[in-house]
Amino acid sequence: ETGVTQSPTHLIKTRGQQVTLRCSSQSGHNTVSWYQQALGQGPQFIFQYYREEENGRGNFPPRFSGLQFPNYSSELNVNALELDDSALYLCASSGGQGAPSGANVLTFGAGSRLTVL
Amino acid sequence: GQQVMQIPQYQHVQEGEDFTTYCNSSTTLSNIQWYKQRPGGHPVFLIQLVKSGEVKKQKRLTFQFGEAKKNSSLHITATQTTDVGTYFCAAFSGGYNKLIFGAGTRLAVHP
Repeated sequence: ETGVTQSPTHLIKTRGQQVTLRCSSQSGHNTVSWYQQALGQGPQFIFQYYREEENGRGNFPPRFSGLQFPNYSSELNVNALELDDSALYLCASSGGQGAPSGANVLTFGAGSRLTVL
Repeated sequence: GQQVMQIPQYQHVQEGEDFTTYCNSSTTLSNIQWYKQRPGGHPVFLIQLVKSGEVKKQKRLTFQFGEAKKNSSLHITATQTTDVGTYFCAAFSGGYNKLIFGAGTRLAVHP
């Protein structure tokens, strides 16, 4: 059973650029959630995808967008990057028969650390 | 929206001492989850509590869910250096599609 994998692990961008982060969900999971974690803070919910549609959204502007593909993998896109977007971006999968301890428990990937200069 | 407040923000203990972190909400929670994040790592699921007054144990870790389902605690007995990390509680807001995390309690253990 493969876990959640994210790419890239680290990347550096400049203000105004765009970035795409990728996530492969754990085998058997059909739901993907994305979180932003600034240094020393808790994960902040960005949005969730289920059946290739956005299924819930946190307090993030529209320049944060996402996709989910038929194989349940997902992308997070951020346009017009700002300095405050520098953070660890965490993808978590859940749901389906492969989910441990219940369908709503999140299995996180190792994250993509984004630095915006 | 749903918020969960955690205290303390940071605690350092001597190895062998006990540790407790608390999670509080102003509204009734459907359930609560706890995660641990090691330094430089990602959150890892520890446990989910669902029932009012529920108590669950995992070796030296004891998790409680309040009778009113508005608060929860995690207690570690006789801490070890392997317990170092940040402990987060998390609760659902408006359905099971938005899991909201507390700010976490960072635990440092001195040998």
